[in-house]
Amino acid sequence: EAGVTQSPTHLIKTRGQQATLRCSPISGHTSVYWYQQALGLGLQFLLWYDEGEERNRGNFPPRFSGRQFPNYSSELNVNALELEDSALYLCASSSYPRGNYGYTFGSGTRLTVV
Amino acid sequence: SQQGEEDPQALSIQEGENATMNCSYKTSINNLQWYRQNSGRGLVHLILIRSNEREKHSGRLRVTLDTSKKSSSLLITASRAADTASYFCATGFQGGSEKLVFGKGTKLTVNP
Repeated sequence: EAGVTQSPTHLIKTRGQQATLRCSPISGHTSVYWYQQALGLGLQFLLWYDEGEERNRGNFPPRFSGRQFPNYSSELNVNALELEDSALYLCASSSYPRGNYGYTFGSGTRLTVV
Repeated sequence: SQQGEEDPQALSIQEGENATMNCSYKTSINNLQWYRQNSGRGLVHLILIRSNEREKHSGRLRVTLDTSKKSSSLLITASRAADTASYFCATGFQGGSEKLVFGKGTKLTVNP
């Protein structure tokens, strides 16, 4: 069974540009979660999608957005990139929403803003 | 904001020794989970303990939960160099937010 896959592995962007990160959940998982892991800040919850809808959102500005497609894959978009957006972005999926079961994480996308 | 706080922030031990990491949290939870992360890669789910459970085992892992003190501990017995990683606790809440909230992690180094 394929795990959670994220692409690209690394992404370098210039301040002010837009970044698009992609995530494919484990087959059968309907929930996708996005987390940001910046240096020294631990994992910060960004977004939760389930059945194509945004269900919950962390304390991030509106320039962080995303969507979930009918096949449950997901995309995270970050507009007007700032230097502090440099971080590891992790996607996780679960077949049971509501955080009652363990998540399966992808290997992450390392975003560097220069 | 972080819900779980791991303690210590860093731990260095010799192979074969036991490693104990602690996690404290602030609000009522539905469950508490532990994850491992190797060198800035993705997290791997280790174990989940529900709020009505006090202790759980999985291989060399032992997790305890004390809801009255809002704390949990992860014990890794007979550690190996391959256990070197960062360990995170994550809390799932009763109702409402429906997401896991992670602490900042404990960085464990097991020296051969």
